[in-house]
Amino acid sequence: QKEVEQDPGPLSVPEGAIVSLNCTYSNSAFQYFMWYRQYSRKGPELLMYTYSSGNKEDGRFTAQVDKSSKYISLFIRDSQPSDSATYLCAMSEYGNKLVFGAGTILRVKS
Amino acid sequence: DAMVIQNPRYQVTQFGKPVTLSCSQTLNHNVMYWYQQKSSQAPKLLFHYYDKDFNNEADTPDNFQSRRPNTSFCFLDIRSPGLGDAAMYLCATSRDLGQGAITQHFGDGTRLSIL
Repeated sequence: QKEVEQDPGPLSVPEGAIVSLNCTYSNSAFQYFMWYRQYSRKGPELLMYTYSSGNKEDGRFTAQVDKSSKYISLFIRDSQPSDSATYLCAMSEYGNKLVFGAGTILRVKS
Repeated sequence: DAMVIQNPRYQVTQFGKPVTLSCSQTLNHNVMYWYQQKSSQAPKLLFHYYDKDFNNEADTPDNFQSRRPNTSFCFLDIRSPGLGDAAMYLCATSRDLGQGAITQHFGDGTRLSIL
């Protein structure tokens, strides 16, 4: 079993839709939870991170962490074609080593 | 703009022929990382440098080595590339370890092909 599981997609939605991206994990010691966005032929860039459980909002993006279920989510409101990318979740116990999911491909159609 | 630059973007080498990938940064970060990302897979950490201290992941093959001659540059050496080493290699930096490692700045990668 992989430490971090992520549905590869692709997830295809119309412009303006609410997108839900998810990851599950097995290591209960993870405390930091991150979402990276990776455009085609580019390196990942950090979107947002959360420490421990709870929600965090940044513009159209909301990250949720449910440690009891070992489940994290990223919601994108009013999705735009420019949001089309691969979204990687990443986790860490105390910050030194990030464990990534394989990424979900998102396609937002105009 | 401060950034992480990887050269070359695409590298083709022959089976067994040593190859070196390079990474430079203008962020003046203490930590530099090398990840291997195969198609549709998660980036996998190979090793990192904290300043001049080298930290190898336990499952990184001996075929992979790294050098960091100064703060700005880091190199990935693959001594005898096999077909299974074909991948995207990502360099990343962070200001520090611990919580400082949460925000990692990635280069755009070098895609390595093996003939």
